[in-house]
This record gives sequence, structure tokens and C-alpha cells, in this order.
Amino acid sequence: GAGVSQSPSNKVTEKGKDVELRCDPISGHTALYWYRQSLGQGLEFLIYFQGNSAPDKSGLPSDRFSAERTGGSVSTLTIQRTQQEDSAVYLCASSLGLLTQETQYFGPGTRLLVL
Amino acid sequence: QKEVEQNSGPLSVPEGAIASLNCTYSDRGSQSFFWYRQYSGKSPELIMFIYSNGDKEDGRFTAQLNKASQYVSLLIRDSQPSDSATYLCAVLPTGNQFYFGTGTSLTVIP
Repeated sequence: GAGVSQSPSNKVTEKGKDVELRCDPISGHTALYWYRQSLGQGLEFLIYFQGNSAPDKSGLPSDRFSAERTGGSVSTLTIQRTQQEDSAVYLCASSLGLLTQETQYFGPGTRLLVL
Repeated sequence: QKEVEQNSGPLSVPEGAIASLNCTYSDRGSQSFFWYRQYSGKSPELIMFIYSNGDKEDGRFTAQLNKASQYVSLLIRDSQPSDSATYLCAVLPTGNQFYFGTGTSLTVIP
């Protein structure tokens, strides 16, 4: 596609429910990143993928968070047993590759509200 | 100490003036530096990137990098009201994880 797409654009859920967020990167981009941005805050790095592999999961806030990527393309970020502090905008970005001087292109984000 | 630090502002400049945004980073081995602009309620969009010491100009924007002092700045010449946004500095240190600052809010007053 022309850019990074994310779905849903907005998600309202109840505390304790599981949510799944989807990211579709730019075609041909091998690297994919997930970030979280709380209101008025900077970007908090969560996880990145090189292909289908996520070498570093230390940025995930807790074991309720998990992410996967299949086919080197679409990625899903799953939050289990959501908490109110999980409310934020979840941004996905992709780039051509890692360890290069590649720039990231961001998707429109998923706005998650946990009631 | 945060990896990337920015003055949160807000920074206000009159239309037509030069806006100067600054960013410092902690990892001396950092290789790549990026400036993103983020309008309220929107996703970040890339403005400029710089890898080498010195200045890099692109239209009204100039990025300046000083690796010895570990700072990178963004100058916006002839500021326009449409430049009003939050500007995020991002750094790619020796690993693969990008670090973002919390952003500087810029308001250009007509």
C-alpha cells in the first residue's frame, strides 16, 4: 500500500478484556516497530521486528503485552487483561531495514481507551 | 538520565522569525538523528534526518549535528503558522531501538 495502515483506528474496551491491534507496513519494508504514546507524552518504544523475528522484547511494559508478525508483513499487538493505564495511542512504523540509516514511516495509530 | 532530552516548551515565535529547536542525547555512539513533526492528534511525520557533523539544509529547515557535544538542533527559517506543531527528536544509538524525546511544542504567531 501507499503507507502504513493500522486498525482499528479507535478502540474502546472494558478493563480486563483482551484487545488486538493490527499494523500493515509499507510493502517491502522489512523492519516494523510498535510505539505507545500517552497523552502529552513522547513515544515509548515497545518492540521491533526484523522480518518475523523480534530480537528484543524488553520494551514491552508487562507480560500482558505480546506481538507477532507473520509473512514478514502484517503485525499484531495483543494486550491481555487490559488496564486503564494501557489507554494510549499505539503507533506502528516501518522502515526498509535495520542497522541502516533508514527512516521510519508511521501509521495513523490506534487510539485505545480502557474504561 | 533519559536517552534523548528536549525542552518541552512551549516555544513561541512570530511569523517570519527563525525557530530553534534543540535536542541532546546520551549515547555517544549514536549514529543517526531524526526530526519528526507531529500535529495535534496526528502521527509523527519525518522532517529531516542527519548523520554527519555539521549542517544539513532542506528548504526552510536546517538540521545541525554536533557529535562531540552530543546535540542536534533544528532551525526553521521564515516560520509559518502551519509550522505550529510538536517537534520530536529521535536518535538511533548503537542498537536497533529508536529513542524519541518528549517533543518541543512550537507555536508560530501570525
